[in-house]
Amino acid sequence: DTGVSQNPRHKITKRGQNVTFRCDPISEHNRLYWYRQTLGQGPEFLTYFQNEAQLEKSRLLSDRFSAERPKGSFSTLEIQRTEQGDSAMYLCASSSQGAPEAFFGQGTRLTVV
Amino acid sequence: QKEVEQDPGPLSVPEGAIVSLNCTYSNSAFQYFMWYRQYSRKGPELLMYTYSSGNKEDGRFTAQVDKSSKYISLFIRDSQPSDSATYLCATPFSGTASKLTFGTGTRLQVTL
Repeated sequence: DTGVSQNPRHKITKRGQNVTFRCDPISEHNRLYWYRQTLGQGPEFLTYFQNEAQLEKSRLLSDRFSAERPKGSFSTLEIQRTEQGDSAMYLCASSSQGAPEAFFGQGTRLTVV
Repeated sequence: QKEVEQDPGPLSVPEGAIVSLNCTYSNSAFQYFMWYRQYSRKGPELLMYTYSSGNKEDGRFTAQVDKSSKYISLFIRDSQPSDSATYLCATPFSGTASKLTFGTGTRLQVTL
């Protein structure tokens, strides 16, 4: 399977705990994006990387959120001190630089209890 | 005003019907327009995209852009129960960059 891979698919955590999600993009894609999607809404942009550089962060990305892409391949998204409002689907997408289309993974569904 | 507006539905049609899904957008600088399909609890799947105005056809799907009215449409011919999903329109914020702004999605149900 050469698509975008996300792990874990589901995560249930207690409020206040830290969680980390992983995304493996399509291998030849140098751009990687994180989005968040809540029920009944479209995905909302969080941040994106070109190779290992984090080029843009949304205002939605509070200081409890941090994303890395250390070697320009896979990426991790960490949420510290989770809150119930963090419950959502976290989606990763990748694209080639200069291409308009992005391809999404299956997402990680986070539930904070 | 949101940059991309989409009627959330739900839209229910009988099998075989022609479906019309629509979005409006506010920024005349947008050039690329995407349609994604999302099944329940899955990630969005890219169906097709168009550049500027005009039509693009792919099998039973046709995407249409009218830049003069800032209106984009997706038509599905001979709809099937397997087409039941949420359809999301999206546009990159600038040029060919893929940071996307999405509509809320329209939930489609195709009944037997």
